[in-house]
Amino acid sequence: AQSVTQLGSHVSVSEGALVLLRCNYSSSVPPYLFWYVQYPNQGLQLLLKYTSAATLVKGINGFEAEFKKSETSFHLTKPSAHMSDAAEYFCAVSPYYGGSQGNLIFGKGTKLSVKP
Amino acid sequence: AAGVIQSPRHLIKEKRETATLKCYPIPRHDTVYWYQQGPGQDPQFLISFYEKMQSDKGSIPDRFSAQQFSDYHSELNMSSLELGDSALYFCASSPGTGSSYNSPLHFGNGTRLTVT
Repeated sequence: AQSVTQLGSHVSVSEGALVLLRCNYSSSVPPYLFWYVQYPNQGLQLLLKYTSAATLVKGINGFEAEFKKSETSFHLTKPSAHMSDAAEYFCAVSPYYGGSQGNLIFGKGTKLSVKP
Repeated sequence: AAGVIQSPRHLIKEKRETATLKCYPIPRHDTVYWYQQGPGQDPQFLISFYEKMQSDKGSIPDRFSAQQFSDYHSELNMSSLELGDSALYFCASSPGTGSSYNSPLHFGNGTRLTVT
């Protein structure tokens, strides 16, 4: 079975500071990993995805994530936080390897606050 | 660009009533997924359809049913509503012909169901 664990349900940073949101995965097969962002009262928007190509994945809004197999991690980072980054972030793993996409298994989410 | 459309945005029902949620996928997306997100929870996969056939089933209660129509829109029917059904219900779509790395999920803004 596959799962993701997000460390820290709330993270608070100052504007301009580094953002680091942690995600560890458990998978018996090479995983497909995703980060989604959810703004209040909105749907989930894909930030970036890892699909066994480059281990450093760049996404939208200046975010990136690095797949580290040895650490089973896929942490999300952004060098400089902006007020507009305040949202909830979900790490997700796809339980299907190859073939057609199956459903996503989400972590519990990390709420990011950005202080002025 | 066209997005996933869900209706209604908000719905208030009483216990034991029924509710129908609608989802209109992005044009040319033939796969639809339903997720339930309880207050402060991560999204949980309910069910998915590909080319009008059920393709995967998650934690969908027996009181719920869903279908995908010939125009690829989908409806989630919920009967004998319980207080615990109060949640945000997301629909997502993808072109179902590829694997996860080619076709990440595109989410709608959700329907917020409140059961009183």
